[in-house]
Amino acid sequence: EAQVTQNPRYLITVTGKKLTVTCSQNMNHEYMSWYRQDPGLGLRQIYYSMNVEVTDKGDVPEGYKVSRKEKRNFPLILESPSPNQTSLYFCASSFGGTDTEAFFGQGTRLTVV
Amino acid sequence: AQKVTQAQTEISVVEKEDVTLDCVYETRDTTYYLFWYKQPPSGELVFLIRRNSFDEQNEISGRYSWNFQKSTSSFNFTITASQVVDSAVYFCALSEARTGNQFYFGTGTSLTVIP
Repeated sequence: EAQVTQNPRYLITVTGKKLTVTCSQNMNHEYMSWYRQDPGLGLRQIYYSMNVEVTDKGDVPEGYKVSRKEKRNFPLILESPSPNQTSLYFCASSFGGTDTEAFFGQGTRLTVV
Repeated sequence: AQKVTQAQTEISVVEKEDVTLDCVYETRDTTYYLFWYKQPPSGELVFLIRRNSFDEQNEISGRYSWNFQKSTSSFNFTITASQVVDSAVYFCALSEARTGNQFYFGTGTSLTVIP
């Protein structure tokens, strides 16, 4: 089954404790991206990647890191999480780029206390 | 400036009513792509439609229809004879060919269909 898998689905952590949210897709998509969803703000793009070893900042990259060492994986790293990073996070992938539909993961609900 | 504006934050309709969700976009690119996604209460994001800037034909898919008007920079979404299962948050999104590689989402419209 074609899918984008995020883990964990739910995470509560403390300020400053490094964490990684994993994202994996099995569709051989070149384009992958991370979003955060906050009430009243919709989805905002954090980082995206056009292919292996090619990543770039979206609209809200501060406080996040990503890597793309393999085509299928695109982890989101929070080196020192803060409460303002409490949000619902989505990973997405698409074939080729932003001219095609994106397939989204199920979301990760992150709470930073 | 917001590239995608969904001015309707929340809409409530009674079942079987028609409802239109508005989406206004802003771009200087001549080649761009517009999308609609649905987020039901379960939380996942579901793709509904993609349109490119050269295709202004309206599209109908069952009870769903989309009206793309470049003259008003709008890409509105109409649900005919709404059903309770249509209750969801709906997002409009834009990507631009020239500037590459980002998606811009609107803030979403929360639709509640009352039985």
